[in-house]
Amino acid sequence: GENVEQHPSTLSVQEGDSAVIKCTYSDSASNYFPWYKQELGKRPQLIIDIRSNVGEKKDQRIAVTLNKTAKHFSLHITETQPEDSAVYFCAASMGSNYQLIWGAGTKLIIKP
Amino acid sequence: DAGVIQSPRHEVTEMGQEVTLRCKPISGHNSLFWYRQTMMRGLELLIYFNNNVPIDDSGMPEDRFSAKMPNASFSTLKIQPSEPRDSAVYFCASTMGGLEETQYFGPGTRLLVL
Repeated sequence: GENVEQHPSTLSVQEGDSAVIKCTYSDSASNYFPWYKQELGKRPQLIIDIRSNVGEKKDQRIAVTLNKTAKHFSLHITETQPEDSAVYFCAASMGSNYQLIWGAGTKLIIKP
Repeated sequence: DAGVIQSPRHEVTEMGQEVTLRCKPISGHNSLFWYRQTMMRGLELLIYFNNNVPIDDSGMPEDRFSAKMPNASFSTLKIQPSEPRDSAVYFCASTMGGLEETQYFGPGTRLLVL
């Protein structure tokens, strides 16, 4: 069936280090892969997205890479800061109506 | 623009009562989504509308849940009768176009069914 697997479920990194979160998806026809950040008690907000016609996209300290052959995409955060602490969700558009299927989320903890 | 507006922000009710959650999407957006978020099940899409028409309601858990969008600026999610397992945060989101675009989430309604 249509699914998105996200790993790890929790990630703890030292402030200043890099963090990588990986998602795999099941539908080879998927075209759209967004990443959302949800701070504690707040709403999810888009931080970056990528479409299937590119392999990498960067926005300051965050980047997303896409490997369509392997059907996985990853979020990279460099020089992590305390405000990066949040739950991060990946998603992929799937199916005949391109519905977004969401990963289970990764809780990122930045240690001072 | 004020963003997506949801009301109420918090709701506490007793089992068996009817609950109505409300959402106003961003003006000009033509797709609207209702999500439920719990620790156990994560973020679940319940239903989405395009141009006020329900397109996919396969995520609606059961007949106790219903959603309407009578016009482009208003949608409701109703639970009748409510049960303790319905306790969750319910988010509404909207996009300017279809599914493969940025979803703008509302602040959510935190529902507790006793």
